[in-house]
Amino acid sequence: DGGITQSPKYLFRKEGQNVTLSCEQNLNHDAMYWYRQDPGQGLRLIYYSQIVNDFQKGDIAEGYSVSREKKESFPLTVTSAQKNPTAFYLCASRSGTGFGNTIYFGEGSWLTVV
Amino acid sequence: AQSVAQPEDQVNVAEGNPLTVKCTYSVSGNPYLFWYVQYPNRGLQFLLKYITGDNLVKGSYGFEAEFNKSQTSFHLKKPSALVSDSALYFCAASPGGYQKVTFGTGTKLQVIP
Repeated sequence: DGGITQSPKYLFRKEGQNVTLSCEQNLNHDAMYWYRQDPGQGLRLIYYSQIVNDFQKGDIAEGYSVSREKKESFPLTVTSAQKNPTAFYLCASRSGTGFGNTIYFGEGSWLTVV
Repeated sequence: AQSVAQPEDQVNVAEGNPLTVKCTYSVSGNPYLFWYVQYPNRGLQFLLKYITGDNLVKGSYGFEAEFNKSQTSFHLKKPSALVSDSALYFCAASPGGYQKVTFGTGTKLQVIP
């Protein structure tokens, strides 16, 4: 099936640890995105990438890092510098060509600091 | 800067009644506009979009949305609400292409049996 796969669904992080959330898509989309969702605050953009080996900071990039070495993969690392990482993280992708430009989402990953 | 506003945190409607979830936007040029639905602990599911053309857009599960350029609005509607429509709804806007998509803060729809 075509789609976006995020893993793990649930992740626990100890203070001072870096953790990486995986995002893989087989939709052949050029653009990929990471959003953070907190209750009552909607979605906030962390990073986005329009092409392999290139990415841009979103609105809340501090404490996060990404890489885009392959078209289908866009992992997000939550570093120890992110002081309040507990949230629901959503990966998305989008085709920039043709009719539509719809953005599609994965099922999300919960990160909790313990 | 582009922005999307969803003025209602929650909308309550009786089952079988029509529903409206409001959205206004501020985007340069001609906007691409979207509605998504999110069920608890899930990702966002695409409902419908406006690119160009007819101001009334029909989407999944009987939902439709009306684009009003003069009022910069894109309200989501459904003629008859179902209990299963209860969820969190997000409006989004983008100038198109690869540029970032901006989401509203979401509106919780509660359909009362």
